Amino acid sequence: QVQLQEPGPGLVKPSETLSLTCTVSSGSIKNYYWSWIRQPPGKGLEWIGYIYYSGNTNYNPSLKSRVTISVDTSRSQFSLKLSSVTAADTAVYYCVRDRGVWQYYFDYWAQGTLVTVSS
Amino acid sequence: QSALTQPPSASGSPGQSVTISCTGTSGDIGGYNYVSWYQQQPGKVPKLMIYEVNSRPSGVSNRFSGSKSGNTASLTISGLQAEDEADYYCSSYAGSNNYVVFGGGTKLTVL
Repeated sequence: QVQLQEPGPGLVKPSETLSLTCTVSSGSIKNYYWSWIRQPPGKGLEWIGYIYYSGNTNYNPSLKSRVTISVDTSRSQFSLKLSSVTAADTAVYYCVRDRGVWQYYFDYWAQGTLVTVSS
Repeated sequence: QSALTQPPSASGSPGQSVTISCTGTSGDIGGYNYVSWYQQQPGKVPKLMIYEVNSRPSGVSNRFSGSKSGNTASLTISGLQAEDEADYYCSSYAGSNNYVVFGGGTKLTVL
């Protein structure tokens, strides 16, 4: 059973960069896609972007200019950076295993971390 | 505003069946057989219930089924149980640029 772990809740100031890292355990990071999905309080889900273990990425067009996702296979980790954040970026951020091309669904989810953007 | 349209709420009594719709366009639901459904119980993490329109992951009850017609996908839950009370989100592949889009969610109440 794949497990994904994120750090605890975070507070980021407006205009700064949000940074999160997800650690994959009980399974390999290789040969899979890995996505970030967020959920503002009381609202729906939004796909942020994915990275393939080899490093190929794809981002939500609405966030593309501010998002960078990277992977470190030696540590079984992948990371999210979201720059120039505003209050609208306040959300629970989930790292998930993405079944990727020809499947396009998310089968394992981390517990999620609440990131609040506030001064 | 979500890319896919779901009714904000649905309800049913224990033992009944309920169907939740998810409407998109030919660029997402209508163009691909990659519709998924996720259940999010209060305070919990979303859980995959259906993938590729009508496939169930191992461990998901066969009371949950999915279908698609044109630009609309549907999730049907039969034999409603109290534990089915949750928010349900649909998603669909939407092409290489948009990748996956979600519906706004439907809050299911078991009366």
